[in-house]
Amino acid sequence: EAGVAQSPRYKIIEKRQSVAFWCNPISGHATLYWYQQILGQGPKLLIQFQNNGVVDDSQLPKDRFSAERLKGVDSTLKIQPAKLEDSAVYLCASSVTDVAYGYTFGSGTRLTVV
Amino acid sequence: KQEVTQIPAALSVPEGENLVLNCSFTDSAIYNLQWFRQDPGKGLTSLLLIQSSQREQTSGRLNASLDKSSGRSTLYIAASQPGDSATYLCASAGAGTALIFGKGTTLSVSS
Repeated sequence: EAGVAQSPRYKIIEKRQSVAFWCNPISGHATLYWYQQILGQGPKLLIQFQNNGVVDDSQLPKDRFSAERLKGVDSTLKIQPAKLEDSAVYLCASSVTDVAYGYTFGSGTRLTVV
Repeated sequence: KQEVTQIPAALSVPEGENLVLNCSFTDSAIYNLQWFRQDPGKGLTSLLLIQSSQREQTSGRLNASLDKSSGRSTLYIAASQPGDSATYLCASAGAGTALIFGKGTTLSVSS
C-alpha cells in the first residue's frame, strides 16, 4: 500500500511569512495526526482528526496555526505568521481507527524560519 | 498528564554488542507502547508495538518488554550492527488518545 505522502519536503521562509503543509494519509485510515518535532526533541502532537472532525487540538497554537481535513481525506496545516521557534520538522501520520494502533508516518516537512 | 522519558540520550557501542534502551512513563493506564526508529532527515518507522495486556514483543534481533506496574519498557537489540545507528523513540498511548513520545536515544554502532 502507498504510504503517507507529505509535501513539500523542505521549506525556508522569513519570519512573519505564512506557510502551508499538505498530507495525504493512507487510503481508508480514518485518523490523521500532525506532529511537530523540534531538533533534539521527540514529536509533539499538534492536532488529531477523526475523519474530518477534530479530536484533540489542545497543543495547537491557535493564534498562528490552523489545520483542516476536508472530506476526511487530505489535510493541510498552516502557520501564519511564522516565528523563528516554528523551525522544526512537521510530521503527518495516519491510523485505521481512533485508537493508537499501527501508526504510519510520512517523511515530514522540514521548516526553517529565518 | 503522561510523560515519557528515555535514558540514555545517546549511546555509542562497538559492533556486535547487545544493548538495552530504557523508556519510562508516568501514567500506567496506557493502551499500548510503541518503539520507533528515526534515521536522520527521515520519518518514523514503527519497530514494535506492545499492547497493555502483553509483556513483550519480538522482531528479529529486537525485543521490547513492557512492565506497566513500574512504568517501564526496554528495547533490547542483540548483536548490534552499524546499520542499527539511528534515533530510537518510545511512545505511549491511552485509549482513544494520540501517542506521546520521549525525546529518544541516539545510537551509534561503530564497525
